[in-house]
Amino acid sequence: DAKTTQPPSMDCAEGRAANLPCNHSTISGNEYVYWYRQIHSQGPQYIIHGLKNNETNEMASLIITEDRKSSTLILPHATLRDTAVYYCIVRVANSGGSNYKLTFGKGTLLTVNP
Amino acid sequence: ETGVTQTPRHLVMGMTNKKSLKCEQHLGHNAMYWYKQSAKKPLELMFVYSLEERVENNSVPSRFSPECPNSSHLFLHLHTLQPEDSALYLCASSQNDRGAFYGYTFGSGTRLTVV
Repeated sequence: DAKTTQPPSMDCAEGRAANLPCNHSTISGNEYVYWYRQIHSQGPQYIIHGLKNNETNEMASLIITEDRKSSTLILPHATLRDTAVYYCIVRVANSGGSNYKLTFGKGTLLTVNP
Repeated sequence: ETGVTQTPRHLVMGMTNKKSLKCEQHLGHNAMYWYKQSAKKPLELMFVYSLEERVENNSVPSRFSPECPNSSHLFLHLHTLQPEDSALYLCASSQNDRGAFYGYTFGSGTRLTVV
């Protein structure tokens, strides 16, 4: 699976949009971009995933560049409860075998300030 | 509640004790996982079970012994642990159909302290 690069930390004011970048310059054509977040001492929570089109759900939006080498997770109106470590993960959605691994990096610690 | 339940939430054990962590998923998923998260470190994959068969063991010491009696339950049996094994142990499940991957659902974890 392709490696990702994220900033170690970011700050955001409450009520503002939080834009979290992720670089995945070695992504392959069949690899998806997944985003998870982990609030302190809890299990990671799935947020969103996409292949090449932009995606939106009730939690966030995912913008993937046309060359697919980077993406941005957008939380449109950040709240204090969005303070968490955000993980960007790239992997195939259909491995055709038994490789079900999801490999987590260090992620980005997003701190939402009042 | 995510649909993946882990018990206990907190566990303190001595180095000579034997204990077990339990994970139960109510999502109908066919794969389950154990992850370890030590302080200030990324999550480390320990074991993968698919259709109740262990498909991956990431060089985990034998003092950790997983068990998957059915597709809904996963255990991690612990014995003669070391203080450095203190960590958050996370269980996850996923539905993998013909290799397609739909993402993980995690439990809330068990905070383990070895004294």
